[in-house]
Amino acid sequence: NAGVIQTPRHKVTGKGQEATLWCEPISGHSAVFWYRQTIVQGLEFLTYFRNQAPIDDSGMPKERFSAQMPNQSHSTLKIQSTQPQDSAVYLCASSFSQNTLYFGAGTRLSVL
Amino acid sequence: GDQVEQSPSALSLHEGTGSALRCNFTTTMRAVQWFQQNSRGSLINLFYLASGTKENGRLKSTFNSKESYSTLHIRDAQLEDSGTYFCAAGSSNTNKVVFGTGTRLQVLP
Repeated sequence: NAGVIQTPRHKVTGKGQEATLWCEPISGHSAVFWYRQTIVQGLEFLTYFRNQAPIDDSGMPKERFSAQMPNQSHSTLKIQSTQPQDSAVYLCASSFSQNTLYFGAGTRLSVL
Repeated sequence: GDQVEQSPSALSLHEGTGSALRCNFTTTMRAVQWFQQNSRGSLINLFYLASGTKENGRLKSTFNSKESYSTLHIRDAQLEDSGTYFCAAGSSNTNKVVFGTGTRLQVLP
């Protein structure tokens, strides 16, 4: 079991460019969560899928951010027209039926 | 909204000593998790509790859902225990798992 896999580990984009972050949850886990971590805001909930269906996206910025889970083996977080304030570590976690969360290593996004 | 208040924000311990971290919840939570974030940024699972107390080695955690708090006790601290500790809790009303602000622990020789 490789755990939750996030790619890329680091991404550098220019202001205004698009960034797509990938997450492969642990096989058999039904829930996928996305979080963002910054020094100032800490760990912020973004969105949550259960059995591939979006359940709660209340933490997602309303503009420019979107998340999908097209199949049970991966989820994507897309940020359009990236801004410097989007710079953060984006963390994906999966769990079996809303129990223990298992986190990936994160994607460090730097917007120049 | 659901909030998790974690204390202390920072803590220094000498090797061999111990202390407790605490999280208070503003609403009823159905379960709590504790994580250690190491120097590489990885979040390592320590405990998942729906109630009661669990112990693992030098760590012990308690979750009191009625009084809306959880504690993490560290005893006989070692240098490798240094890092940032987070509690996270899932509300009974929503699907979110919300994190505390973290406790930065430094273990000194």
